[in-house]
Amino acid sequence: GQNIDQPTEMTATEGAIVQINCTYQTSGFNGLFWYQQHAGEAPTFLSYNVLDGLEEKGRFSSFLSRSKGYSYLLLKELQMKDSASYLCAVTDSNYQLIWGAGTKLIIKP
Amino acid sequence: DTAVSQTPKYLVTQMGNDKSIKCEQNLGHDTMYWYKQDSKKFLKIMFSYNNKELIINETVPNRFSPKSPDKAHLNLHINSLELGDSAVYFCASSPRAADHSYNEQFFGPGTRLTVL
Repeated sequence: GQNIDQPTEMTATEGAIVQINCTYQTSGFNGLFWYQQHAGEAPTFLSYNVLDGLEEKGRFSSFLSRSKGYSYLLLKELQMKDSASYLCAVTDSNYQLIWGAGTKLIIKP
Repeated sequence: DTAVSQTPKYLVTQMGNDKSIKCEQNLGHDTMYWYKQDSKKFLKIMFSYNNKELIINETVPNRFSPKSPDKAHLNLHINSLELGDSAVYFCASSPRAADHSYNEQFFGPGTRLTVL
């Protein structure tokens, strides 16, 4: 079967750095997405990785290792508004987007 | 100037009723989707509509039927609602055909359906 694993919940302090991990087992791989979802709102796109390595976009970076079936989202200089769920999603060989359950990130002052 | 819009935002109804949720996108995208997000926050694809082809997820009961009058609209009709249908339903669109690896999806605000 297809599976995306992420921690259910993480807590971090304002101004700090946090890394949210995602591991996947899918039938094929055509890219990995990270989305942010605030409570009661729709998911919004954060990043896309299809090749191994690090993609940096401001305070957020996303890393991919295809051989390990592993990605992480790195958030720097955390702000209270970063409190949200972070969803990892993988496009499989049929171009179906398989979603993880999301990691709820709680930021404390 | 909303990109992907859904109506209604909240829908409360009795078991056994039939209801529809409307979705419109003004982004000129070719592909639209319906997702169900349950209480455990899993996002599950229900349908994707790729301009010419409707792709149905085989786990979706046939009580759910998407209807697309044109490329900018993909409505969801649900017959004989059940308690387990209670969830948040998201519409989304993407600029490329569904069989494209880089296909960022833009989500509507969601419709919270409660079946009593």
